[in-house]
Amino acid sequence: DAGVTQSPTHLIKTRGQQVTLRCSPISGHKSVSWYQQVLGQGPQFIFQYYEKEERGRGNFPDRFSARQFPNYSSELNVNALLLGDSALYLCASSSGVQGANQPQHFGDGTRLSIL
Amino acid sequence: GQQLNQSPQSMFIQEGEDVSMNCTSSSIFNTWLWYKQDPGEGPVLLIALYKAGELTSNGRLTAQFGITRKDSFLNISASIPSDVGIYFCAGRPGTYKYIFGTGTRLKVLA
Repeated sequence: DAGVTQSPTHLIKTRGQQVTLRCSPISGHKSVSWYQQVLGQGPQFIFQYYEKEERGRGNFPDRFSARQFPNYSSELNVNALLLGDSALYLCASSSGVQGANQPQHFGDGTRLSIL
Repeated sequence: GQQLNQSPQSMFIQEGEDVSMNCTSSSIFNTWLWYKQDPGEGPVLLIALYKAGELTSNGRLTAQFGITRKDSFLNISASIPSDVGIYFCAGRPGTYKYIFGTGTRLKVLA
């Protein structure tokens, strides 16, 4: 079975531009979470979506937004890019019920570089 | 953003040695996860812990959920070169997000 897939794998943008990152969860998983991982640090939580609704949001500005589609895939959008947005953006999926003890499985991420 | 404290920060060990690392938090967690991340890849789940005091094994890996629910430990027995990588703990304080640790960088000398 395919794991979590993310696209694109690498992306280069300039300051002020907008970017959209995509994620397909593991088949049967209804929850998708997004994390930002700056070089040398652990992942930082951005959003969680479950059944197409936002269930949680981390401490990120409103320039960051996301959505989940009926097939449970998800997009992360970042507007007005800043140099500090350069990072590895990770998507994780987990099965079913919100609040249940379900581990998250990660994709290999999108490496975003801002020039 | 908030990160959990992992120690040691990095370690060099000889192949065949046992490894221990830990993760601490100021908050109580309902779940602890341990991940390994290789360069250019996403974190790979190693062990999931759901109950205080729980000890779980996955091959040469053993992890424990601390009794206070504010810490967790990971042990690797008889390390091999492919154990090289960054190990992250992650704790879940509520129902929807995980907080990750600062990472332990493991290097194995053959």
